[in-house]
Amino acid sequence: GAGVSQSPSNKVTEKGKDVELRCDPISGHTALYWYRQSLGQGLEFLIYFQGNSAPDKSGLPSDRFSAERTGGSVSTLTIQRTQQEDSAVYLCASSGRQGARTEAFFGQGTRLTVV
Amino acid sequence: GQQLNQSPQSMFIQEGEDVSMNCTSSSIFNTWLWYKQDPGEGPVLLIALYKAGELTSNGRLTAQFGITRKDSFLNISASIPSDVGIYFCASGGGTSYGKLTFGQGTILTVHP
Repeated sequence: GAGVSQSPSNKVTEKGKDVELRCDPISGHTALYWYRQSLGQGLEFLIYFQGNSAPDKSGLPSDRFSAERTGGSVSTLTIQRTQQEDSAVYLCASSGRQGARTEAFFGQGTRLTVV
Repeated sequence: GQQLNQSPQSMFIQEGEDVSMNCTSSSIFNTWLWYKQDPGEGPVLLIALYKAGELTSNGRLTAQFGITRKDSFLNISASIPSDVGIYFCASGGGTSYGKLTFGQGTILTVHP
């Protein structure tokens, strides 16, 4: 597609259930980011994938959070045993290099509500 | 890890006023980007800067890449109500090679 696509756009889940959030990056982009954003707040870095390198997982808040990127393209963020404090918008971005230029483009986000 | 200091955290201005926000870092970067996020949307790229000292405009927006390569500012002239949103800076290159780091954002409110 032309842009970064995230699904679902909204997800309501019960506390304790597992959820999977999906990100389809821009074709050809080697880098992919996941961020979390609480209402009206800044971007909280979660994880960064770059090509075939080991991902930078330094932002994952707990071991309930995991992410994978299959075939260097689609990424899935999984939250196990969801808690109410996990409620937020989860944003995905991808970027690619054109010479010295690196620009990231965001998806519309998945709004997760844990009830 | 690398961090960006973005200021101010929030601004409340009257329509027609000019706005200025900036980002600083202790590290040298090769790229500075500015994004705007409208409510309920993902951030959208406004301006990209790749050269120290570079000054770039996009309509009423002007951004500059600091000559020390450790800072950048964004100015908005003659603000209008639709300028409301969260503005983020991002930087990359340097030792981070390829990975972009984002500032915490500046929340802009424009009163008609």
